[in-house]
Amino acid sequence: DGGITQSPKYLFRKEGQNVTLSCEQNLNHDAMYWYRQDPGQGLRLIYYSQIVNDFQKGDIAEGYSVSREKKESFPLTVTSAQKNPTAFYLCASSKGTGGAETQYFGPGTRLLVL
Amino acid sequence: ELKVEQNPLFLSMQEGKNYTIYCNYSTTSDRLYWYRQDPGKSLESLFVLLSNGAVKQEGRLMASLDTKARLSTLHITAAVHDLSATYFCAVDDRGGTSYGKLTFGQGTILTVHP
Repeated sequence: DGGITQSPKYLFRKEGQNVTLSCEQNLNHDAMYWYRQDPGQGLRLIYYSQIVNDFQKGDIAEGYSVSREKKESFPLTVTSAQKNPTAFYLCASSKGTGGAETQYFGPGTRLLVL
Repeated sequence: ELKVEQNPLFLSMQEGKNYTIYCNYSTTSDRLYWYRQDPGKSLESLFVLLSNGAVKQEGRLMASLDTKARLSTLHITAAVHDLSATYFCAVDDRGGTSYGKLTFGQGTILTVHP
């Protein structure tokens, strides 16, 4: 089955700790995205990547880092510099960015700070 | 900066009634997406609207796009309980170099009562 997987489903972070959220897709999509959703709010773009080995900052990139070494994988690291990381993190992918490409979303990771 | 505003933010409907959710956006775009999110879940793509005057229908939901007015509507016909969810519109920011970058509205929480 084609789709997007995210792991873990729940993640707990201690003060000063970096944590990495996994996102994998087997849809052969070129573009991948990371969004953050806070309770009762819409989604805000953290980072996106249009092609392997390239990525761009979104609207709220501070305190986050990403890599895109493989087409199917786009991990997100929440660093200790992110002071308010508690949120629902959603990864998405799309076939490309040049046309009218729907973004498909993974199941999400809930990050909680201990 | 592209702004996307939905109204209402909360909508309580009786089963069998009709209603419309509005999505206004602040800059030129002819690509608009509607998503549905169930509580605690990820986003599911509903409609992709790609040109002025576009209309898409699926079951009891119909979406339209007026690019001149910078307005999209999501019309609900004869609501049923299964439509209870949060609905998001998202606009493709075509104006800058970040082609394919979506900006989301705040979401409309729809509750359908018997």
